[in-house]
Amino acid sequence: DAGVTQSPTHLIKTRGQQVTLRCSPKSGHDTVSWYQQALGQGPQFIFQYYEEEERQRGNFPDRFSGHQFPNYSSELNVNALLLGDSALYLCASSRDRVLAKNIQYFGAGTRLSVL
Amino acid sequence: LAKTTQPISMDSYEGQEVNITCSHNNIATNDYITWYQQFPSQGPRFIIQGYKTKVTNEVASLFIPADRKSSTLSLPRVSLSDTAVYYCLVGENTDKLIFGTGTRLQVFP
Repeated sequence: DAGVTQSPTHLIKTRGQQVTLRCSPKSGHDTVSWYQQALGQGPQFIFQYYEEEERQRGNFPDRFSGHQFPNYSSELNVNALLLGDSALYLCASSRDRVLAKNIQYFGAGTRLSVL
Repeated sequence: LAKTTQPISMDSYEGQEVNITCSHNNIATNDYITWYQQFPSQGPRFIIQGYKTKVTNEVASLFIPADRKSSTLSLPRVSLSDTAVYYCLVGENTDKLIFGTGTRLQVFP
């Protein structure tokens, strides 16, 4: 049973560019959340997708957008990259909120470096 | 969402029991207490969750006093591989997990 998978594992971009990160949830999970983790900090919630809709969003600008596909996989898009966007981007999956009780399963993340 | 306070770091030696305490004075009636473990360059991993009293699984135990204003994660007989950051989270069944800076546990041989 595959867990949460993310691609790519590492990415280097320059300021102003756009990036797309991908996530496949754990089998049986229908909800995908994205987090940004800066060095030495805990993960910060970006947004969550359920039934192909953004269900809740954290305090991130509109440059951060996402999508969920019918097979529950998800993408995170970041436009107009800034140096401060350099971080580990984590995807987490869970079953719907009634069952999750704050238990989410995380992938290994995508390390994004913006130069 | 209740705010949590936990030590920034802890040191231990292999074979010892480690107890990490988390304070959450403003915990609400419907809030659960959940602990995650994170190794470098990996995503957090769910360890244990509880609501009251004591919960035990194959990895750890979680002790929650009657007032639920704190909780203690207990790791029995730690090994070098338990070196990681441990996060205490408190909240109802919400869409987003709120992580603090966690407790960095260093286990020495």
